[in-house]
Amino acid sequence: GENVEQHPSTLSVQEGDSAVIKCTYSDSASNYFPWYKQELGKGPQLIIDIRSNVGEKKDQRIAVTLNKTAKHFSLHITETQPEDSAVYFCAASTGFNKFYFGSGTKLNVKP
Amino acid sequence: DAMVIQNPRYQVTQFGKPVTLSCSQTLNHNVMYWYQQKSSQAPKLLFHYYDKDFNNEADTPDNFQSRRPNTSFCFLDIRSPGLGDAAMYLCATSPGSQTETQYFGPGTRLLVL
Repeated sequence: GENVEQHPSTLSVQEGDSAVIKCTYSDSASNYFPWYKQELGKGPQLIIDIRSNVGEKKDQRIAVTLNKTAKHFSLHITETQPEDSAVYFCAASTGFNKFYFGSGTKLNVKP
Repeated sequence: DAMVIQNPRYQVTQFGKPVTLSCSQTLNHNVMYWYQQKSSQAPKLLFHYYDKDFNNEADTPDNFQSRRPNTSFCFLDIRSPGLGDAAMYLCATSPGSQTETQYFGPGTRLLVL
């Protein structure tokens, strides 16, 4: 089955700096890659996603890049703010309603 | 505007006492999922329904069961909770075609005494 690895497990940045979280996947059939933000005591919320026919997608301060050849995808947050502090999960899907999650990155944005 | 609703948000049960968690959705999605999430870990898929078709993950213990009486509602039954079942239980939905977005509920935090 699919295996998704996520790094780093924790990331601490200064407010205004950029943050990058990286994920690799093993199954070349994976074709959908969502990113979720989970705040303490809440369910994950989708923040951005990318499909395998696209190399990059941007939504305001958040961007995701996908390298299908290398089987990795990354989340980029620019101009970080304290409210960006949360746990971020990447995931990969080969379809058929199966999602494989990375182990999570705890992002701390220091004011 | 609530799309995926979970009740209760917090549930305390006793060791071995059956407990039911509920999930409802206003999105009219075909697929409903149940995940277990322990502290500082990724969500782990327990099972999902595609419409009325039940799909169990191979490593989901028999202690966990699910019911989906209609499109809107899905229940997670834990027949004999153990201390190791204390976790956050997340419900999610998706429209049902391949590679579609999942929408998560707020979760139910289960405590087993």
